[in-house]
Amino acid sequence: GAGVSQTPSNKVTEKGKYVELRCDPISGHTALYWYRQSLGQGPEFLIYFQGTGAADDSGLPNDRFFAVRPEGSVSTLKIQRTERGDSAVYLCASSVDGMSYEQYFGPGTRLTVT
Amino acid sequence: AQSVAQPEDQVNVAEGNPLTVKCTYSVSGNPYLFWYVQYPNRGLQFLLKYITGDNLVKGSYGFEAEFNKSQTSFHLKKPSALVSDSALYFCAALNAGNNRKLIWGLGTSLAVNP
Repeated sequence: GAGVSQTPSNKVTEKGKYVELRCDPISGHTALYWYRQSLGQGPEFLIYFQGTGAADDSGLPNDRFFAVRPEGSVSTLKIQRTERGDSAVYLCASSVDGMSYEQYFGPGTRLTVT
Repeated sequence: AQSVAQPEDQVNVAEGNPLTVKCTYSVSGNPYLFWYVQYPNRGLQFLLKYITGDNLVKGSYGFEAEFNKSQTSFHLKKPSALVSDSALYFCAALNAGNNRKLIWGLGTSLAVNP
């Protein structure tokens, strides 16, 4: 079946602009996770949704970052006033539910802030 | 602080030889442990996990890992390496009593030489 998809695959934006990154999880998966991965690093946790609600958003670096999942399926990660330090690959993962520890990852969105 | 360590940045093995990618963890409580693989320009793929039970767990593509509680290790192994196994491997841990936030190692680049 279809895996986790993320759009766009690449995004180049200017410093100070607003961007939205989209994640479409595996159908029926109730848990959704956002991570950020910089070159040579492991994924860095950002936020975890169980259904429509953010169960843990402690990884969001500051208030420029926000994520939503209004219908419990597709999620959007929103970054305001982008900075060059936001450049990274943003990964989305989903799992069957919050008790299923096996996460399935999308291919990521490579964000470059110039 | 909780952490996962992968002491080797890179591992080189000849095709057909056994391979080991090392991982140690420092997580309170009973850890849940995972291995993921990342191929170039592709998302992270789940390989295997240890939750409870037999210390030797078998996963995808012929990989296995051994949980060693006394050494706080979870090394990834494969009896006979393939060139196609060349990729970046990540170990991750989760304190199941806490939240769904995975703690990641920095990754080990595996190169299998023909």
